[in-house]
Amino acid sequence: DGGITQSPKYLFRKEGQNVTLSCEQNLNHDAMYWYRQDPGQGLRLIYYSQIVNDFQKGDIAEGYSVSREKKESFPLTVTSAQKNPTAFYLCASSDQDRGQETQYFGPGTRLLVL
Amino acid sequence: AQKVTQAQTEISVVEKEDVTLDCVYETRDTTYYLFWYKQPPSGELVFLIRRNSFDEQNEISGRYSWNFQKSTSSFNFTITASQVVDSAVYFCALTVYNQGGKLIFGQGTELSVKP
Repeated sequence: DGGITQSPKYLFRKEGQNVTLSCEQNLNHDAMYWYRQDPGQGLRLIYYSQIVNDFQKGDIAEGYSVSREKKESFPLTVTSAQKNPTAFYLCASSDQDRGQETQYFGPGTRLLVL
Repeated sequence: AQKVTQAQTEISVVEKEDVTLDCVYETRDTTYYLFWYKQPPSGELVFLIRRNSFDEQNEISGRYSWNFQKSTSSFNFTITASQVVDSAVYFCALTVYNQGGKLIFGQGTELSVKP
C-alpha cells in the first residue's frame, strides 16, 4: 500500500529531553512537510523539504530540527529548546511542482510532556 | 500575507439536514490553490478537494459540493443529507503558486451530526 507512516502514535517527553518523530512515505513524492496542531486550532508549518538534503523553516521552526537524507524519510526532532511541545504533529508529502500539488497526510503523532 | 478564516467554530445538525461550512480567504496573488480536508476523530487529515484560482466552476461529488466565488473570496463546502459519519473537523486551506507549497489553514469547523 502506498502511503505515509508516522511513528510512534504517542510519545512522551521528559523535561530537557530531545525526542524524534518519524515520517516515512512510499509515494515517491519529492516534497515533505511537518505541521503542528494545537487543540482547537488549524495546522502551522514547522519545516518543509522540496528535495533531498535541502529543507526550509516554516512559521514556527524554533525549537525543532529536521533532516532529509533520503527521499522517503523526513524525521523531526523536538529539542529541549521547544518550551511548549505538547501538540499533535502531522507529516505530509506531495509531488513538487512549484508548490501547487496536493499534500497528503500521515496519521500523526501526539507528543505529551511528562 | 495570506489568511484563511473559518468563522464557524462548531456546527451541530441532525442527520439528513443540509449543512454549509464557510471559508473566506485573503491573498494578493493571482495564482493560488484552495483545499478542503476532513479530520475525523482518528486525527489523520483526509484530502477532499483542490481548486485553482482560475477555475470557478462549482464541483459536486456525491453528497459534497463546493462553491468557489472569487468576487467574495469564498470557497464554501456543502454537505447534503448529512450522515453521522460526516462528523469531523473540516479545514479549509490555501497555498500560493511557487512558494514551496506552504499551506495556510483556517481554524477548522467541528461538525457534529446527530442521529
